[in-house]
Amino acid sequence: GENVEQHPSTLSVQEGDSAVIKCTYSDSASNYFPWYKQELGKGPQLIIDIRSNVGEKKDQRIAVTLNKTAKHFSLHITETQPEDSAVYFCAASWAGNMLTFGGGTRLMVKP
Amino acid sequence: GAGVSQSPSNKVTEKGKDVELRCDPISGHTALYWYRQSLGQGLEFLIYFQGNSAPDKSGLPSDRFSAERTGGSVSTLTIQRTQQEDSAVYLCASSRGQNEQYFGPGTRLTVT
Repeated sequence: GENVEQHPSTLSVQEGDSAVIKCTYSDSASNYFPWYKQELGKGPQLIIDIRSNVGEKKDQRIAVTLNKTAKHFSLHITETQPEDSAVYFCAASWAGNMLTFGGGTRLMVKP
Repeated sequence: GAGVSQSPSNKVTEKGKDVELRCDPISGHTALYWYRQSLGQGLEFLIYFQGNSAPDKSGLPSDRFSAERTGGSVSTLTIQRTQQEDSAVYLCASSRGQNEQYFGPGTRLTVT
C-alpha cells in the first residue's frame, strides 16, 4: 500500500519568513495530493491540493509543487503570520479512494 | 453551506461497553470516509463508502469495528467491547465522487 513520509515534524519560523514542508510517497499510482491544516480541537481543513497532471499550484500565500518522477511534493507558505501556526498534514490517494497521511508538521510562527 | 457534522463531540465510556459514533456528511456528497487520529498512529483510514457500492473496510483494525451508511447519507461507526487502545479522535469526511474530502470536527473517544 501507499506510504507517505513528511518532514520536518516541527518547524519554527519568524513572522514574515517562508515555511516549506516536504512529503514523499511510495505508490506511483497515486494521483491526488491534498494538504490539510489542523488547529487544536478541530478537524483537518483542506487548504490546497494538486493532481498528478500539474506540477505547481498557487493560492495567495500558499503553493504546492509536485515532482512525479521523484515522488515528492512540497507545501510552501510565504509571508507567514501567527495564524498560520497549526499542524499541517500532507496526503496521497488514487482516484478518490482513501487518503494516506503523512505524520504531520507542527508549524509555529513567532511574532 | 453546512459542513460535515459529527456527534457526540466527546464520549467517555468504560472498557467493554459498545459505542456508536454518528456522521452527517455534506448534502449531495456521495462518498463518506471514517478515519482515526491517535497520538501513536497519526491519521489512519478505517472505512469508505461510495454511493451504493460495497464499502471498503480494509482499514478496520478488528472485527469489533463496523460501520453502516443508511440511505446514502448518515453513517454510524460502531465499536463493540471497547478497549483502552480504541481511545482516539474519530474523524468523518465526505466528498463529491472522486474530489476533495472535507472533514468534520471529530468525536473524541476516551475508554476508561
